[in-house]
Amino acid sequence: KAGVTQTPRYLIKTRGQQVTLSCSPISGHRSVSWYQQTPGQGLQFLFEYFSETQRNKGNFPGRFSGRQFSNSRSEMNVSTLELGDSALYLCASSSGLAGAEQFFGPGTRLTVL
Amino acid sequence: EDQVTQSPEALRLQEGESSSLNCSYTVSGLRGLFWYRQDPGKGPEFLFTLYSAGEEKEKERLKATLTKKESFLHITAPKPEDSATYLCAVQGRLNAGGTSYGKLTFGQGTILTVHP
Repeated sequence: KAGVTQTPRYLIKTRGQQVTLSCSPISGHRSVSWYQQTPGQGLQFLFEYFSETQRNKGNFPGRFSGRQFSNSRSEMNVSTLELGDSALYLCASSSGLAGAEQFFGPGTRLTVL
Repeated sequence: EDQVTQSPEALRLQEGESSSLNCSYTVSGLRGLFWYRQDPGKGPEFLFTLYSAGEEKEKERLKATLTKKESFLHITAPKPEDSATYLCAVQGRLNAGGTSYGKLTFGQGTILTVHP
């Protein structure tokens, strides 16, 4: 069974640009969650999508947005990039049921110069 | 607000030297407590889910236990390949009583190094 895939694996952008990251969940999973991981803050929840609807959102500015397609693939977008957005962005796939385990992808390493 | 605190921040063991990692949590209505292993530059790898106090789960040299306030990850006779960061996370309920879907609150992790 294929795992969670994320593309691209690495990105270098400059301040003010925008970026789109992609995540394909495990086949049959309808929930995709996104996290930001930094050395200082650890893993922080961005948002969760289930059946193309955002069900939950973390405490991040509106520059961070996402969407989910009918095949459960998800994208997240960060607009007007800031230096502090440099991080490992992880997506996690699950069935979406309460308490269900989440399976993480390898992440996208974003560097903002 | 859900909170997770892991200790110690770092742990150095000799191969074969058993020990435990601690995860203390506060959560409004536990939906699940999760343990993950993360290697440098990779995404977290799922290890265990625990749902209620008294529950225990084992996998090879790892055993996870849960009480109402904390969880322990016991490592028996570790090997160098067990070296990694171990992360603990909780999923709770929303204030209104629903589930905080998708949101895992993570601790800062314990960096485990096992020397041969």
